[in-house]
Amino acid sequence: EVQLVESGGGLVQPGGSLRLSCAASGFTFSSYEMNWVRQAPGKGLEWVSYISSSGSTIYYADSVKGRFTISRDNAKNSLYLQMNSLRAEDTAVYYCARDSVTASGDYWGQGTLVTVSS
Amino acid sequence: QSVLTQPPSASGTPGQRVTISCSGSSSNIGSNYVYWYQQLPGTAPKLLIYRNNQRPSGVPDRFSGSKSGTSASLAISGLRSEDEADYYCAAWDDSLRVFGGGTKLTVL
Repeated sequence: EVQLVESGGGLVQPGGSLRLSCAASGFTFSSYEMNWVRQAPGKGLEWVSYISSSGSTIYYADSVKGRFTISRDNAKNSLYLQMNSLRAEDTAVYYCARDSVTASGDYWGQGTLVTVSS
Repeated sequence: QSVLTQPPSASGTPGQRVTISCSGSSSNIGSNYVYWYQQLPGTAPKLLIYRNNQRPSGVPDRFSGSKSGTSASLAISGLRSEDEADYYCAAWDDSLRVFGGGTKLTVL
């Protein structure tokens, strides 16, 4: 069974940093592209970042470029999102989502809440 | 302001057919596949339609997707109470992934 489990969320002050993790199981993690997608309270989905299966190709949304860094450790079946210079508008539930060859976002984690507030 | 445009709400009665539209441009829907996701209250999104009109295994055939030019639509036939959820369309736009603002479907 495919499982994606996010962790690392919490309360952080504006300007602070946080590192999110996504633990993958039930599939060959190193063969799949991955994404981070976030959802602010009461709002819609917003794509944050993409990383290819090898980690060689990375994309970011303009809203987080220069502040967030996506990475992966295929040996540990884990995806990461390093978030720096956090702002109030980064407050959201952050989901990791898998891309297969045929379908983007075919599996999603349950999400982890990040709250940026003083 | 989302790159893909969806109506904020839709509604129907049990058994009815409902459609949700998604409008984009030549750089996203016009040149890439469209995906649809269902998000039940308090849960993570779930893939409903991929590659414009394909259903993952386990998704009832009451759900169907279509695409024409720079627009796409999701149709739900035989509406059921458990279909009450938020629905999002999505597509790639060059190296960016874009979502619609979401449509809240209410089953009356």
